[in-house]
Amino acid sequence: AQKITQTQPGMFVQEKEAVTLDCTYDTSDQSYGLFWYKQPSSGEMIFLIYQGSYDEQNATEGRYSLNFQKARKSANLVISASQLGDSAMYFCAMREGVGYSSASKIIFGSGTRLSIRP
Amino acid sequence: DTGVSQNPRHKITKRGQNVTFRCDPISEHNRLYWYRQTLGQGPEFLTYFQNEAQLEKSRLLSDRFSAERPKGSFSTLEIQRTEQGDSAMYLCASSLRRVGAPMGTEAFFGQGTRLTVV
Repeated sequence: AQKITQTQPGMFVQEKEAVTLDCTYDTSDQSYGLFWYKQPSSGEMIFLIYQGSYDEQNATEGRYSLNFQKARKSANLVISASQLGDSAMYFCAMREGVGYSSASKIIFGSGTRLSIRP
Repeated sequence: DTGVSQNPRHKITKRGQNVTFRCDPISEHNRLYWYRQTLGQGPEFLTYFQNEAQLEKSRLLSDRFSAERPKGSFSTLEIQRTEQGDSAMYLCASSLRRVGAPMGTEAFFGQGTRLTVV
C-alpha cells in the first residue's frame, strides 16, 4: 500500500541557510510521481515541485530541488538560501500509476513545519 | 479567477444537520479530488473523480458522506447527520490527465471549506 513518511514534525533554520526536508515513501508500483506542497498559515496548498519515478535527473524549480534516491525510496526537498517567507508547513505527496488510464489517488505525509529565523 | 473555487469558505452547523460543499475545478481539468484536513495534519484522501466517474472512495469515508460530479464539471460533497468529529477543513483539488502527456501532473487546490460542527 502507498505510504508517505515525514519524520520531522518541525524544523528551525536561520535565514539564508539551506534546509533539507525529509520524505520517504513506500509503494509496490514501478510508475509513480512525487510532489511537494507548501501550506502557509493562510491555508492554501501551493505546488512546489514534481519528480517522476522514471525521471533520470533530480527535479529543480528555482530555489527548490528534489533529492530523489529511488533505491532508498526517498524524495527529500532541498530549499536553498531560505527566506522568511518560506516559513510554512511542507507536505510530501505521491501518486502511483501515472498513466492516463490509471486510477490512483494522491496521498500526503503528515508534514513538516518549517520556521525560518531572521 | 481561473483557480479552483470552493464554496462556502466557512460553515458552522449544528450536530445532526446535513451540509453540502461545492467545488469548481480549473476549467478542462478532468480529475477532481476531495480531501479532509485537521489541524496540524496532512490532507486525508476522501474520494476522487475522473470526469464524472467516481474512481475511488476512501474506506475512512462513512456512508454519511457522498460526492457527485455531474457532467464532469463541478463537484459537491454532502455530509449527512453531521457529527463533531466531522469538523475539519475540506479541500478540493483538480488536475489534468492527458493521453501522451508527461507522467504525472500536479493537483491545484482550492482555498478549502472550513466546517465547524457544534
